[in-house]
Amino acid sequence: SQTIHQWPATLVQPVGSPLSLECTVEGTSNPNLYWYRQAAGRGLQLLFYSVGIGQISSEVPQNLSASRPQDRQFILSSKKLLLSDSGFYLCAWSTGRTDTQYFGPGTRLTVL
Amino acid sequence: GNSVTQMEGPVTLSEEAFLTINCTYTATGYPSLFWYVQYPGEGLQLLLKATKADDKGSNKGFEATYRKETTSFHLEKGSVQVSDSAVYFCALSPLTGTASKLTFGTGTRLQVTL
Repeated sequence: SQTIHQWPATLVQPVGSPLSLECTVEGTSNPNLYWYRQAAGRGLQLLFYSVGIGQISSEVPQNLSASRPQDRQFILSSKKLLLSDSGFYLCAWSTGRTDTQYFGPGTRLTVL
Repeated sequence: GNSVTQMEGPVTLSEEAFLTINCTYTATGYPSLFWYVQYPGEGLQLLLKATKADDKGSNKGFEATYRKETTSFHLEKGSVQVSDSAVYFCALSPLTGTASKLTFGTGTRLQVTL
């Protein structure tokens, strides 16, 4: 069966510090991968998605970037965090042309 | 563009009450529709889905019917339990290109009390 992991689970970072969140998927190959952000009390916003190694599409211009160095690894990064980057970050995967996405447990980021 | 509108929460119900959470959508073509559930501090879990008009998705006693004529996908459960307390998200996928890009509603918090 497929599983998706995210780490760290929680993170507290000062403004201006760098960020690296990691997501890995097991049990499937060539998945589509997604990063979402959920701000407090709000819905989910798609940030990035990837259909293959090195292929990243950005949905919202912002202070963040994404990379996919391996087939089942998806990384969310920032060089300098802003207060507005605080939120709950969720990674998800889907296969082929199916439209069902499966979510990881999330990372709660607090920028102080 | 695509959009999903959910009823405002929170919704507070007594155990064994009937649940309806309204969801309407705007999209071109024939999107797939989903309900996800998020328990406190956790990621989202797929609850049910429907891929074409008049399809009924069901899981764990929850049901939703894809109504194209009213562009709706309302979530229902006949008898809620305390363990159903969570945030429920309605979402759609247009399935364009090679990756589905879900559009979510803002979520509806459900609290079930004894």
